[in-house]
Amino acid sequence: NAGVTQTPKFQVLKTGQSMTLQCAQDMNHNSMYWYRQDPGMGLRLIYYSASEGTTDKGEVPNGYNVSRLNKREFSLRLESAAPSQTSVYFCASSGGEGGKNIQYFGAGTRLSVL
Amino acid sequence: SQQGEEDPQALSIQEGENATMNCSYKTSINNLQWYRQNSGRGLVHLILIRSNEREKHSGRLRVTLDTSKKSSSLLITASRAADTASYFCATDANDYKLSFGAGTTVTVRA
Repeated sequence: NAGVTQTPKFQVLKTGQSMTLQCAQDMNHNSMYWYRQDPGMGLRLIYYSASEGTTDKGEVPNGYNVSRLNKREFSLRLESAAPSQTSVYFCASSGGEGGKNIQYFGAGTRLSVL
Repeated sequence: SQQGEEDPQALSIQEGENATMNCSYKTSINNLQWYRQNSGRGLVHLILIRSNEREKHSGRLRVTLDTSKKSSSLLITASRAADTASYFCATDANDYKLSFGAGTTVTVRA
């Protein structure tokens, strides 16, 4: 099992460019999440999908859109990148077994917006 | 806003010593979790403690939870160089989301 796979691992964008970060999990989990992590800070939730077919805003959704393509895949799109979106992005998934939201994380995408 | 706050922000200890870090939170929770993040990697789940539990052990990890004070502590005993990492607490309010603190960076010196 690969767990949670994120692509790409690194990306450099110019201000105004768009891109999509891909995330896939092979654990048959219902819930998936996108976070950003900035230096010295914890993870901040951008969007989440509690189950296939649903998506909801997290703490910092502005400038982002998401698509829950199917149960396995959850993508994050930056329509017009801004320098403030320079960050490390993590995707996570959770099966919610026993009412416990234990999350499994990908390795991250390091994004720089110039 | 982030629910959990860890203390201290950074900790440097000698190999073999114990490391203790604390987490405070603001609202009622279903459970509290601790995660580890090695440099340049994703977070890895370490241990979960439910709101009706006061203490839990897993290997060299000991977690306590005091819901009256809205606080938790993580103790790593007999630390090793491989324990060098950032540690995050995360609170689960049973709403599909976790709220993470800013983390404690632990450095274990050989």
